Amino acid sequence: DSGVTQTPKHLITATGQRVTLRCSPRSGDLSVYWYQQSLDQGLQFLIQYYNGEERAKGNILERFSAQQFPDLHSELNLSSLELGDSALYFCASSVGDRIYEQYFGPGTRLTVT
Amino acid sequence: GEDVEQSLFLSVREGDSSVINCTYTDSSSTYLYWYKQEPGAGLQLLTYIFSNMDMKQDQRLTVLLNKKDKHLSLRIADTQTGDSAIYFCAERGSGGYNKLIFGAGTRLAVHP
Repeated sequence: DSGVTQTPKHLITATGQRVTLRCSPRSGDLSVYWYQQSLDQGLQFLIQYYNGEERAKGNILERFSAQQFPDLHSELNLSSLELGDSALYFCASSVGDRIYEQYFGPGTRLTVT
Repeated sequence: GEDVEQSLFLSVREGDSSVINCTYTDSSSTYLYWYKQEPGAGLQLLTYIFSNMDMKQDQRLTVLLNKKDKHLSLRIADTQTGDSAIYFCAERGSGGYNKLIFGAGTRLAVHP
C-alpha cells in the first residue's frame, strides 16, 4: 500500500458525460500527479500540482481539468467523454516539487460506453 | 525528444535470474526508475538510480546504468512466481518538468 488513495475504483459512464476522479496523496506529500494508462498510448503524464498550484502540464486534453485543494487532495475532471477516454487513471504523489520518489495510487478504471 | 524503449516480453524459469533492459534518449535525465505493476494493481516503485551512479543493488534487485549508451537494466536474482508482473522503466522528463516518461513495459512471466 503506497498511501495514495483514489476513488472510485471503477467508473462506467456514457459518451458525452462528465466525471470527477479523486485522489488523496500520501501524508506529508505536497505534489500530486495525474497519469493516463491506455492500451494504445501507454502511460502518459497529464498534469502536476504542487501545494495547490499547477506546476507542469503534459498531454492533457482541453476537455480535462484538474485542481488541488487546500487539504492537498486533487480532483481530475473529464468532460464530453469519448470512447477513447476509456483508460486507467493514476494519481501519484511526492514530497516536494521535484520528483525523487513518486508513489502511485491503485488507479481508477474509467469505461466510456 | 524523450523516449523510453523496452522489450515487451520476457519468460524465465523459477530460480533463474531475469534481466529487463531499457534504453532512453534524454541524456540529461537525472533519475531513472523501475516500477512494477501486478494485474489489476497500481505501480509500485521498485528502485531508482541517479545518473552519476553505475550500479545500485537492493536485495534481489540490481540496477545497471550505462550512461554512454543510455541503457538501463534491472536484474532480478532468484526469480520467483511472485515476480510475474509488468516492469516499467521511466526517466524523469527534462525541461524542468516533474513528469516521468515511461516505457511500454516488459511483461515478465515466471514458469516452474
